[in-house]
Amino acid sequence: NAGVTQTPKFQVLKTGQSMTLQCAQDMNHEYMSWYRQDPGMGLRLIHYSVGAGITDQGEVPNGYNVSRSTTEDFPLRLLSAAPSQTSVYFCATSRGTESYEQYFGPGTRLTVT
Amino acid sequence: GESVGLHLPTLSVQEGDNSIINCAYSNSASDYFIWYKQESGKGPQFIIDIRSNMDKRQGQRVTVLLNKTVKHLSLQIAATQPGDSAVYFCAEKVRAGGTSYGKLTFGQGTILTVHP
Repeated sequence: NAGVTQTPKFQVLKTGQSMTLQCAQDMNHEYMSWYRQDPGMGLRLIHYSVGAGITDQGEVPNGYNVSRSTTEDFPLRLLSAAPSQTSVYFCATSRGTESYEQYFGPGTRLTVT
Repeated sequence: GESVGLHLPTLSVQEGDNSIINCAYSNSASDYFIWYKQESGKGPQFIIDIRSNMDKRQGQRVTVLLNKTVKHLSLQIAATQPGDSAVYFCAEKVRAGGTSYGKLTFGQGTILTVHP
């Protein structure tokens, strides 16, 4: 099993460009989340999904869109990148109801110039 | 809003010593806590968790203590090894009203450095 995979590992964007960060999992977990990690800020929740077709906003959702058409995939879209979105992005999954242990992907390091 | 925080941002220990990493939380509605380890360039990795109806839980070389009276959480690592060097995060889950999904709130992290 690959667990949680994220692509790309690194990305540089210019202000105003759009892109999609990919996240896939093969653990059949219902719950998936996107976090951003900034120095001194810990991990902050952007969006999450409790199952296919269901998404909701986290702590810092502005500037990001998500969708969940399948259990396996949970892409994060930046519609118009801004320098404030320079960060490391982590996707995480969990079984949900009985366990809140989250399994994290390796992260995507995004720089917006 | 309420958040999770850490007392010490860095901790340096000698190999073989025991390490104690502390975490303060302020949300009395939190009912579940997790410790994560994050090595450089990697995603966080689950270490151990504890529910609010417990005050101690042990794993392999690790123990988590929960003191709800003072809203304090600690992670004890026995016989610390160089491979334990990483950033350690505590996270709390606030009891989720009518839903079964409670979002985790993470602390800022403590850097543990183990010297050979």
